[in-house]
Amino acid sequence: NAGVTQTPKFQVLKTGQSMTLQCAQDMNHEYMSWYRQDPGMGLRLIHYSVGAGITDQGEVPNGYNVSRSTTEDFPLRLLSAAPSQTSVYFCASSLTGTETYEQYFGPGTRLTVT
Amino acid sequence: EDQVTQSPEALRLQEGESSSLNCSYTVSGLRGLFWYRQDPGKGPEFLFTLYSAGEEKEKERLKATLTKKESFLHITAPKPEDSATYLCAVQATSGTYKYIFGTGTRLKVLA
Repeated sequence: NAGVTQTPKFQVLKTGQSMTLQCAQDMNHEYMSWYRQDPGMGLRLIHYSVGAGITDQGEVPNGYNVSRSTTEDFPLRLLSAAPSQTSVYFCASSLTGTETYEQYFGPGTRLTVT
Repeated sequence: EDQVTQSPEALRLQEGESSSLNCSYTVSGLRGLFWYRQDPGKGPEFLFTLYSAGEEKEKERLKATLTKKESFLHITAPKPEDSATYLCAVQATSGTYKYIFGTGTRLKVLA
């Protein structure tokens, strides 16, 4: 089991560029989510998915897009990068979102927008 | 509004000096409270889930407890390898799919 994998590990973008952060899990988890982690602000939920074809917004969704075409993959798209999106991004998964299960996190993507 | 507050922000301990980290929460109804450990440059790693007041869970030098308003992570005789950021999160009965995280406590254990 690889668990939750994320690519790339580091990325530098210029303002206005777009890119996709990749996330995959091999645990057959229904629930997947994206967080950003900023100093002093903790982990904030961007988008989440309770299964293939179903996504919803979290606390800070603006500027980000997601889709979930398979159980395994949950990519996060930055539509037009802004310096305010400089952060560390974590993908997480859990068995389901309807029961109380722990989340498993990926290693993170450190994104810098100049 | 559902909220999680952790204290202290940072804590320095000598090896063997026991202490406790606090996680206070305000939620309309609690489905579960989670503790995670996060090492620098890595993703959070799951430690414990607590479901109801009075529940306790232990793992090596760590013990987590839960009341109706807060949770404590007790660290007994810590070692330098316990140095990490400890995160608390809650899942509320409303907004079933969302987990709310605190900002964490940075623990440094000195040899």
